[in-house]
Amino acid sequence: EDQVTQSPEALRLQEGESSSLNCSYTVSGLRGLFWYRQDPGKGPEFLFTLYSAGEEKEKERLKATLTKKESFLHITAPKPEDSATYLCAVQTAGGTSYGKLTFGQGTILTVHP
Amino acid sequence: IAGITQAPTSQILAAGRRMTLRCTQDMRHNAMYWYRQDLGLGLRLIHYSNTAGTTGKGEVPDGYSVSRANTDDFPLTLASAVPSQTSVYFCATSRDFDTEAFFGQGTRLTVV
Repeated sequence: EDQVTQSPEALRLQEGESSSLNCSYTVSGLRGLFWYRQDPGKGPEFLFTLYSAGEEKEKERLKATLTKKESFLHITAPKPEDSATYLCAVQTAGGTSYGKLTFGQGTILTVHP
Repeated sequence: IAGITQAPTSQILAAGRRMTLRCTQDMRHNAMYWYRQDLGLGLRLIHYSNTAGTTGKGEVPDGYSVSRANTDDFPLTLASAVPSQTSVYFCATSRDFDTEAFFGQGTRLTVV
């Protein structure tokens, strides 16, 4: 069974204090790993897709990296507007004929000014 | 603005009543999905459709049905609502079944 574990559950940072969120996964064959941002009362907003170990993607203060067992979302010099829940999801390569995403529980990020 | 529209945004429903959640997209995406999000359980797939005219069951399909008569619309029906169906429901679309999904704003449903 595919499993996705995110850590920490919650993270409080001061503005400008860089840190990383972790997403560990156990899957039978990774098709893709996705990062989403979710604000309270809103739907998840797509951030990145990573397909293979060693791949990196960047967007503003965010950088996502992927290894064979985990992904990191690095946040450089965060601002209060980066506060949100960050979700990781995996899609497997075999045995599914649809885009089933297995989501982690998310990391709640709070950035204080 | 292109995107995904869900309706209603919230609803309080008496147990045993029938309810249809609506989802419309103008992105011309082939695949559409319904997820529910519950505290402590995360997002779970209810039903999906890879293309118009086809549907399939996800992780938690019991008590729900869907149809996909055309590319743009993917309604989710609760035939006889129960309190355990209290949740936030998200419709999502993707260009194809193996590309990134985009989510609507959600419908908050309370079954009493």
